[in-house]
Amino acid sequence: QSALTQPASVSGSPGQSITISCTGTSSDVGSYNLVSWYQQHPGKAPKLMIYEVSKRPSGVSNRFSGSKSGNRASLTISGLQAEDEADYYCCSYAGSSTSLFGTGTKVTVL
Amino acid sequence: QVQLQESGPGLVKPSETLSLTCTVSGGSVSSGSYYWSWIRQPPGKGLEWIGNMYHSGSTNYAPSLKSRVTISVDTSKNHFSLRLSSVTAADTAVYYCARLSWEYSSSHHFDYWGQGTLVTVSS
Repeated sequence: QSALTQPASVSGSPGQSITISCTGTSSDVGSYNLVSWYQQHPGKAPKLMIYEVSKRPSGVSNRFSGSKSGNRASLTISGLQAEDEADYYCCSYAGSSTSLFGTGTKVTVL
Repeated sequence: QVQLQESGPGLVKPSETLSLTCTVSGGSVSSGSYYWSWIRQPPGKGLEWIGNMYHSGSTNYAPSLKSRVTISVDTSKNHFSLRLSSVTAADTAVYYCARLSWEYSSSHHFDYWGQGTLVTVSS
């Protein structure tokens, strides 16, 4: 199992929208609508931001949205804010009762 | 509100066994469609799923670690544990415990996490 592929970094100015991609295979992302996204600030534990591709947990801003097409999932952050600067990880169910994380993306707010 | 807290030695010698415990409060390790999980993050690197366990005793492990990992749960103490044998410097990481909400084909996400604990493998 290889980690899901994410861009190493994405940046945007305050108020802009950015999209982070998460590319897997037909054995993981492509086979299940079970992609989740996590936000991690430095020195902190990851926080669930999106689950089951596009659902938002209670308390997560509606500026965060998720989607999926084929073997690729995406996280979009609209109205980018300084507090969104963090690392973001996707995760997918990968079959055979296993979980697979992405390589991680550092989001920088310019 | 469910809370998870990792505990265990912060320093382990090479070739020895790493042992960590995750204590759950505000919820029960015996409840619902939850799997109790371990995830690690080497310094400056990404997240790696280690494995999980259901309260019934069913376990699932990452293929790359399967030969060295054991996850167990103690329902009477409401905690679960990780043992990783024959450690090397490559096992140095922040280790997180987390709750996985999982129902086949309908749910799979880590909704609660511990704060993480750094384990360094060094002589």
